[in-house]
Amino acid sequence: NAGVTQTPKFRILKIGQSMTLQCTQDMNHNYMYWYRQDPGMGLKLIYYSVGAGITDKGEVPNGYNVSRSTTEDFPLRLELAAPSQTSVYFCATGEGGRKNGELFFGEGSRLTVL
Amino acid sequence: DQQVKQNSPSLSVQEGRISILNCDYTNSMFDYFLWYKKYPAEGPTFLISISSIKDKNEDGRFTVFLNKSAKHLSLHIVPSQPGDSAVYFCAASVNAGKSTFGDGTTLTVKP
Repeated sequence: NAGVTQTPKFRILKIGQSMTLQCTQDMNHNYMYWYRQDPGMGLKLIYYSVGAGITDKGEVPNGYNVSRSTTEDFPLRLELAAPSQTSVYFCATGEGGRKNGELFFGEGSRLTVL
Repeated sequence: DQQVKQNSPSLSVQEGRISILNCDYTNSMFDYFLWYKKYPAEGPTFLISISSIKDKNEDGRFTVFLNKSAKHLSLHIVPSQPGDSAVYFCAASVNAGKSTFGDGTTLTVKP
């Protein structure tokens, strides 16, 4: 039972490159989230999904895209990477309902844009 | 406008003593509050939560207190242990929806 798995763990991108951060879960949770954490800061919500086929923007969606074709997978796409996207990205899942606030996080993906 | 604030970036306590971490919020619609703990190079892990219908929730050494009139919550750890050294994030949500996080407080428990 792996929980929430993120790949890659580390990546260096050049300005203007694109990439996809992968997130997969085996917890059968409907709710999935992408957060970013900048140094010394809290987690900012990028995008979230309440089920397969349904996605919505969070606080800081610009420069990112997501898709949710299955319950298990919630990839985050970075288009035209910029230095401001240097951050640690966390994928999380939740059960929904009254337990929706209790999130289960992956280990994070550290992205550097140079 | 930051809706969830943790005004103390760091806290240092002696092993065995009480640790008190504080969190303030501005959105009166928040009705569910959570604390997460994060070790370096790991994702946050859920610690304890409280609904707005309560003013206290206890789980072992961890107790969360909620003061709705002051829009303030606190996490008490008694007794503190060196393994509790981590970053603690306060989070809040409306109708148990998506969570808004504070910037975190780094707790150091000295042996």
